[in-house]
Amino acid sequence: GAGVSQSPSNKVTEKGKDVELRCDPISGHTALYWYRQSLGQGLEFLIYFQGNSAPDKSGLPSDRFSAERTGGSVSTLTIQRTQQEDSAVYLCASSFGGGGYNEQFFGPGTRLTVL
Amino acid sequence: KNEVEQSPQNLTAQEGEFITINCSYSVGISALHWLQQHPGGGIVSLFMLSSGKKKHGRLIATINIQEKHSSLHITASHPRDSAVYICAVGNQAGTALIFGKGTTLSVSS
Repeated sequence: GAGVSQSPSNKVTEKGKDVELRCDPISGHTALYWYRQSLGQGLEFLIYFQGNSAPDKSGLPSDRFSAERTGGSVSTLTIQRTQQEDSAVYLCASSFGGGGYNEQFFGPGTRLTVL
Repeated sequence: KNEVEQSPQNLTAQEGEFITINCSYSVGISALHWLQQHPGGGIVSLFMLSSGKKKHGRLIATINIQEKHSSLHITASHPRDSAVYICAVGNQAGTALIFGKGTTLSVSS
């Protein structure tokens, strides 16, 4: 079956613009995660969705970042008023169950460049 | 101090050598994950473990919960093993992974 897909694969935007990044998880996976990989910073957690539970937003770096997951499937990460420090690869992952006990499957990422 | 520490940061080996990458963590965890990232490529999960030892092909992962330490071993290393290996721990709530900074492995023939 298909893996986790993300779109767009690359996004170049100007400082101050809003961007939307999309993630399609593996069908049947109830848990969805967003991560960010910045140059020289490594990977960091952003947000976690599990079924109908309230998301864990503790990793979002500022209120310019938000995410939603519609119908328990597709997720959109929105960054408002982008800044140059937002430039990074944004990765989505999904897993069959929630918690830390399940293997996560990663998408290819969206490379965001803020000019 | 980072919650997840990996060593070494960089590792160079000759084909056929036995490789060990270490990971120590300082927080309570739900499970520990080893991930692989090839240059320009995506991230692949290698292992997820909460106790003992797991083996897949030439890869072996161990974890000592009491000592909060895990190791990833590669036997008979090959140039195709060249990648970044990332240790990550699931937080106790099970909602997030906390990542180490990765170990860059280069295997030459």
